[in-house]
Amino acid sequence: EAGVTQFPSHSVIEKGQTVTLRCDPISGHDNLYWYRRVMGKEIKFLLHFVKESKQDESGMPNNRFLAERTGGTYSTLKVQPAELEDSGVYFCASSRTDRDTEAFFGQGTRLTVV
Amino acid sequence: RKEVEQDPGPFNVPEGATVAFNCTYSNSASQSFFWYRQDCRKEPKLLMSVYSSGNEDGRFTAQLNRASQYISLLIRDSKLSDSATYLCVVTRSNYKLTFGKGTLLTVNP
Repeated sequence: EAGVTQFPSHSVIEKGQTVTLRCDPISGHDNLYWYRRVMGKEIKFLLHFVKESKQDESGMPNNRFLAERTGGTYSTLKVQPAELEDSGVYFCASSRTDRDTEAFFGQGTRLTVV
Repeated sequence: RKEVEQDPGPFNVPEGATVAFNCTYSNSASQSFFWYRQDCRKEPKLLMSVYSSGNEDGRFTAQLNRASQYISLLIRDSKLSDSATYLCVVTRSNYKLTFGKGTLLTVNP
């Protein structure tokens, strides 16, 4: 069974540019989450989808971040315009509905804004 | 105060040593507790859930004290392959994981 896959693995962009991160969850997992780790800090929750619906987006830093999950399959996280403090590792995770807390993580996208 | 606090580390131990990780959480409404393991530049992976009665998985033992809001992880007979960052994680609901900063363990030959 394929795990959670994220693309790209690395991205270096200039301040003010736009970047879109993609996450493909494990097939059949209705729950999809985005987390972020900035340097020197703990991993923090950004938002949670159940199928295509946003269940909780309380962790999204500001309105420069937009997450979508059209059709309830893969998800994208767009940062527009990117700022220096957006640099970090963005993790996607997914889980089945019947075992919500057993979340499987993707390898992350390392975003560097210069 | 951070919601989940861990020993800052790093820990450097020889093979075969016993090492203990400590973690405290601030929200008494926390419901579920876990230890995750993260290898360098890799994703976090669930190591084990933590139950009030304590639980063991081979060389790993996890304990939870709800009254003290304290979680621990004990690794016995440590192996080189145990080298990683150990993350204490709690949830209040069934999905929103709250992570500690992690403690880096290096097991030396």
